[in-house]
Amino acid sequence: EIVMTQSPATLSVSPGERATLSCRASQSVSSNLAWYQQKPGQAPRLLIYGASTRATGIPARFSGSGSGTEFTLTISSLQSEDFAVYYCQQYNNWPLWTFGQGTKVEIK
Amino acid sequence: EVQLVESGGGLVQPGGSLRLSCAASGFTVSSNYMSWVRQAPGKGLEWVSVIYSGGSTYYADSVKGRFTISRHNSKNTLYLQMNSLRAEDTAVYYCAIDSNGIFQHWGQGTLVTVSS
Repeated sequence: EIVMTQSPATLSVSPGERATLSCRASQSVSSNLAWYQQKPGQAPRLLIYGASTRATGIPARFSGSGSGTEFTLTISSLQSEDFAVYYCQQYNNWPLWTFGQGTKVEIK
Repeated sequence: EVQLVESGGGLVQPGGSLRLSCAASGFTVSSNYMSWVRQAPGKGLEWVSVIYSGGSTYYADSVKGRFTISRHNSKNTLYLQMNSLRAEDTAVYYCAIDSNGIFQHWGQGTLVTVSS
């Protein structure tokens, strides 16, 4: 099983600031990496797939980068609606998809 | 518009059984890969099972031998039969369209609580 490790567990950011979230895979997942946003009481929402491709309707302030074992999700200027939990997920190890434990982005 | 609506969750005793349903609209379940993903209270996401359009099924080790994924083509509905339930199966269960591991569309989830 590929273990996905996210850091930090919690990120305190002021509105308008930049947020950088990290995700590390225990072995290479190539670019088969997705990011999801989840707000309380809601299902996860796909943000990024292929490590860097924004899903339909996702604002340009969300960007993803990385390949292999190291990945980053950047939110360029945090809006109030961006405070949430973010998960990375690998889909390289078919069919055993695995998620990271999540990073909570909270208001500073 | 793609829509997924889960149902069937509830309180069940350890060792008991439950069947979850996921009613789909706006697309055809049998033509897509469909997965169940769960989330224990206050925890992260865990992939549980997938059924492919050809009918092949796969499970996470944590549920293998206890859970069965299936679908009813004419009802356009996905199911998850859960047997021998344990406290650690307590979670919100989501169904999702699985595009080779990318989950673009999710249901709202249904809560399963395993407790005596």
